[in-house]
Amino acid sequence: QVQLVQSGSELKKPGASVKVSCKASGYSFTKFTINWVRQAPGQGLEWMGWISTDTGHPTYAPGFTGRFVFSLDSSVSTAYLQIISLEAEDTAVYFCARIYYYASGSHSDYWGQGTLVTVSS
Amino acid sequence: DVQMTQSPSILSASVGDRVAITCRASQNVIEYLNWYQQKPGKAPRLLIYAASNLQSGVPSRFSGSGFGTHFSLNISGLQPEDFASYFCQQSYSSPPTFGQGTRLEI
Repeated sequence: QVQLVQSGSELKKPGASVKVSCKASGYSFTKFTINWVRQAPGQGLEWMGWISTDTGHPTYAPGFTGRFVFSLDSSVSTAYLQIISLEAEDTAVYFCARIYYYASGSHSDYWGQGTLVTVSS
Repeated sequence: DVQMTQSPSILSASVGDRVAITCRASQNVIEYLNWYQQKPGKAPRLLIYAASNLQSGVPSRFSGSGFGTHFSLNISGLQPEDFASYFCQQSYSSPPTFGQGTRLEI
C-alpha cells in the first residue's frame, strides 16, 4: 500500500537548521510529485511548494523562498525539506503529500504523518 | 493568489444531522476544488476531488458540489468520527490555496 513516512519531531534553537525526510513506498516514486504543507499551531494549512520527483526541480510558494530547500534521494525514494536559519515562527507541523494530477487540476491523495518542528531557545 | 473563504468557521451539530460547509473562491477555479478532513494530531485526508468526486474509501454520506466560485461539502447522517476540521483547496491556479478551515463540533 502507498505510504509516506516522515522523520520524527525536532527541537531546534533559533539560527539552526533542520532536515525533515519523507520516505515513500508502495508506488513508483518518480511518477508523482511531492508537495510540502505547513501547519502552524492551531492554524490552517499552508502550501509551501513542490518538487518534481522526475526532474528534481523544486517550486517554492511565495514566502518560502530563500530559507527553505526541497531535495530528493530517489535511490531511497525519499524527499527532504531543509529549513535554514530557523526562526521561532517556523514552529509548525510539516507535511509531505503525494500529488495526483489530472486535466487542469490536482489533489494530494496520500500524506505523511507530519513532523513537528519546534524552534525555541 | 486565489483566496478561499470557508463558512462557517465553527459548526455545531449532532450525530445524525445533515450539515453543509461552503467554500467561496475569489476567482473562477472551474471544478478544481478539493475537500480534506483533518482530525487533531493527524494528517489531512482527501475526501472529495474535482468538486464532486468521492475519493476511494470515503463513505457515501460525504458529497461535494459546485462550480466556478461557489462550492459546498455536505455530510448526511453525521457519525461520531465526522467531528473534525474540514478544509477546501483550489488546484486550478498556482499556488494552490486552502480555505481557513471549518471545525465541526458536537
